[in-house]
Order: sequence, then C-alpha cells, then structure tokens
Amino acid sequence: GAVVSQHPSWVICKSGTSVKIECRSLDFQATTMFWYRQFPKQSLMLMATSNEGSKATYEQGVEKDKFLINHASLTLSTLTVTSAHPEDSSFYICSARAVTFKGWGYFGPGTRLLVL
Amino acid sequence: AQKITQTQPGMFVQEKEAVTLDCTYDTSDPSYGLFWYKQPSSGEMIFLIYQGSYDQQNATEGRYSLNFQKARKSANLVISASQLGDSAMYFCAMKTGANSKLTFGKGITLSVRP
Repeated sequence: GAVVSQHPSWVICKSGTSVKIECRSLDFQATTMFWYRQFPKQSLMLMATSNEGSKATYEQGVEKDKFLINHASLTLSTLTVTSAHPEDSSFYICSARAVTFKGWGYFGPGTRLLVL
Repeated sequence: AQKITQTQPGMFVQEKEAVTLDCTYDTSDPSYGLFWYKQPSSGEMIFLIYQGSYDQQNATEGRYSLNFQKARKSANLVISASQLGDSAMYFCAMKTGANSKLTFGKGITLSVRP
C-alpha cells in the first residue's frame, strides 16, 4: 500500500532556531500534501494545503512566515518552523494524496517537536 | 461550513464485546466522504473505514463497520469483538465535494478492559 514518511520523527531544539520537517510519499506521486498540527489529547488542526509547484494555502490564523511550506516535487513537501518558540512544541503530521485515490489519502507517522 | 461532532466522553469496553463510537456531521454539500481513523499512543493515524455519501450500503472492514444514517447525519463506528489493541483515540473526519481538506472531530478515547 501507499506509504508516507516523515523525517525526523523527533526533534528537540533551542528557542530561536529553525526546524525543517520532511514529508515524502514513497510509492506514489502526491499531487496534494497537507500539514496538520496536534496538541496532546486534542484533534488535528489543518495548517496548510500544498500543491506541487505552487504556493501553499494556509488556514486562517496560521502564520505563513513562521510555518514555511515548500512542495518542490511530487514526492516531497517540507515544513520549516522558523524561529521556533516553546509554544510551537507540538506533534506535526503530514498527509498526502493523489487524484487517483479512492477515499482520501495517507498520513505520515508524525514529528514531535519540542522547543526548549 | 462543514462540521464533525464527537461528544462522547472517554469510552470503556470489555474485551470481546462490541462498542459504538458516535459521530454526527453537518454539511450542505450533497457529495461528501466520511472517515474513521485510529490514533494509538505512538501518534500515527491509521485509516479504518470510509463511507461515501452516495454509497448504498454501510461500509465494513473486518471488525469495523460504519452505521451510516444519512437522514440523521450520523456515521457511527462499530467495533466488534474488541481487543486490547483497540485502545486508542478515534477520530471521525469528513471531506466534501471538490474540497479535498479533511475536517476532524475532536476524537474519542477508547479503553478496552481485559
């Protein structure tokens, strides 16, 4: 079946640094990728939608200058948390889909970010 | 606007018994899809089952079935013969029409007792 990977799975960084998270579709071409954020015991909140080769569409309230999303190829999207602060600590999950998919798409395993 | 509602508090079920997790939805789009995902403590989102708004029959996938009541706008997940490994958070989600975004409910915690 389709597989989506994320790297890294865990990251701890100092406040003020930038962190890049990669999301890859391993055996299919993802026309659209989504980035979600999840706080403990809460639901997934969509941050942005990215289509290959075009600018990401951010959800209301998400700072696009802080959460930079790049979808440079049909198999790779990256989320960069710029100048991270402790309140950015969260679980970040990507998902990917292709137009040929029945239903919807597939999720990556997630990345836990801890900003000290 | 589309909305998913999961209002049950934490659910408990005895091993080998069946359990129903409730989900109601709201959308004005006649074309939509409903999903259930399981999220264990590891965090990965595991796809369980899908129901399209035009599907004539309720979806089933092994021990999972979806009780789809369109007029009531409900899409409850039924897990039969619960296992200890079923303990997790369960999320109901919906996508509508050409908009491929998934909207999630707040989730339900299920604990299976031995």
